[in-house]
Amino acid sequence: AQKITQTQPGMFVQEKEAVTLDCTYDTSDPSYGLFWYKQPSSGEMIFLIYQGSYDQQNATEGRYSLNFQKARKSANLVISASQLGDSAMYFCAMREHTGNQFYFGTGTSLTVIP
Amino acid sequence: DTGVSQNPRHKITKRGQNVTFRCDPISEHNRLYWYRQTLGQGPEFLTYFQNEAQLEKSRLLSDRFSAERPKGSFSTLEIQRTEQGDSAMYLCASSARDFTDTQYFGPGTRLTVL
Repeated sequence: AQKITQTQPGMFVQEKEAVTLDCTYDTSDPSYGLFWYKQPSSGEMIFLIYQGSYDQQNATEGRYSLNFQKARKSANLVISASQLGDSAMYFCAMREHTGNQFYFGTGTSLTVIP
Repeated sequence: DTGVSQNPRHKITKRGQNVTFRCDPISEHNRLYWYRQTLGQGPEFLTYFQNEAQLEKSRLLSDRFSAERPKGSFSTLEIQRTEQGDSAMYLCASSARDFTDTQYFGPGTRLTVL
């Protein structure tokens, strides 16, 4: 079974609008971390935001927030006030406490329309 | 504070040749990871080092692949007898042994095997 599922291959959003990128995960480990990364066309993976499985509140970092619904095993990324520079691939990832590697989804390509 | 660096950024080689990539992690990070990313996919874990010890290897890492991290600083990934299927982006990441264990990625080395 896939550890991380991103069901939106591509998304479009109008500049200055908010957009939600979906991510669901699968683990039996009670302790895990969830991450979102941005990958522009240059190729570098840029860390955006982290959510721990025991965190009571949703994580926020500037215009990025993570809508964490533990019972549904979802960790959606919300980008507010989209900018043209937000156009990129976005990857959701998970690290289980018992492991060392990250499991990545297949990514969502976001295009911001002026 | 310099980030993760990787060299070379691009490598074109002929099938059957050996190639070696280098990764310099963030200086205070003791954990180092290698991933492979093919077009349209998320990164796939290859191997993990804690200091100089290689603690985990993916089954994706065939016997043609070898990685080292002498002295627990930089790391090298060597691919022997390259095949066309080895063409991919090879990403290196490092992390500190802290609460989140967030991985920070380098710009990657794009390998093309002709």
